[in-house]
Amino acid sequence: QSALTQPPSASGSPGQSVTISCTGTSSDVGGYNHVSWYQHHPGKAPQLMIYEVSKRPSGVPDRFSGSKSGNTASLTVSGLRAEDEADYYCGSYAGSNTWVFGGGTKVTVL
Amino acid sequence: EVQLVESGGGLVQPGGSLRLSCAASGFTFSTNWMNWARQAPGKGLEWVAFIKGGGSEKYYVDSVKGRFTISRDNAKNTLYLQMNSLRAEDTAVYYCVKDGNWAFEFWGQGTLVTVSS
Repeated sequence: QSALTQPPSASGSPGQSVTISCTGTSSDVGGYNHVSWYQHHPGKAPQLMIYEVSKRPSGVPDRFSGSKSGNTASLTVSGLRAEDEADYYCGSYAGSNTWVFGGGTKVTVL
Repeated sequence: EVQLVESGGGLVQPGGSLRLSCAASGFTFSTNWMNWARQAPGKGLEWVAFIKGGGSEKYYVDSVKGRFTISRDNAKNTLYLQMNSLRAEDTAVYYCVKDGNWAFEFWGQGTLVTVSS
């Protein structure tokens, strides 16, 4: 049950794109398509942005997209907006009814 | 509208106990899998425990096994987390989370647990 690896920070100017990586192992990210991404504004409830690697829940803008290759998943935020500034966490099913999150990436909109 | 409202957090001494509750509404609670997750100060999110709809299947992160117990009362639409033998490292905001599509679909606002003497 080791945490997934994310870069601590990422940044971009308004209108640009930013991509966040999430690296796990063949026992979690690489072994299942149950990878998800969460946006968390401090002091508020985290919000699901992507599930099953690349699917968006209703209401999430299509500026948010997800992908996976091997043991690494990625979240891309296109057309950055000020309100996208937040902490982003990846999560993955890790087998045997357990889940694991990444350490989080703070996205700054310059 | 899905609503999850946690309660029961507070200050407790090391070795003490606390029971968190989560009142759920806006969805069919009894058929949904539920979770507790937490975030320690300055740290990332951590999955803590999971319970299936019927309540008989329960799973935990290794660090809380034998100390925490997740349970549910489907008649009251309420999720619980009984926390015993609390340690300083259990200090965190605890979130009640509705499962969906193999993801943490909807989160409550959280309740703060502080373990300190």
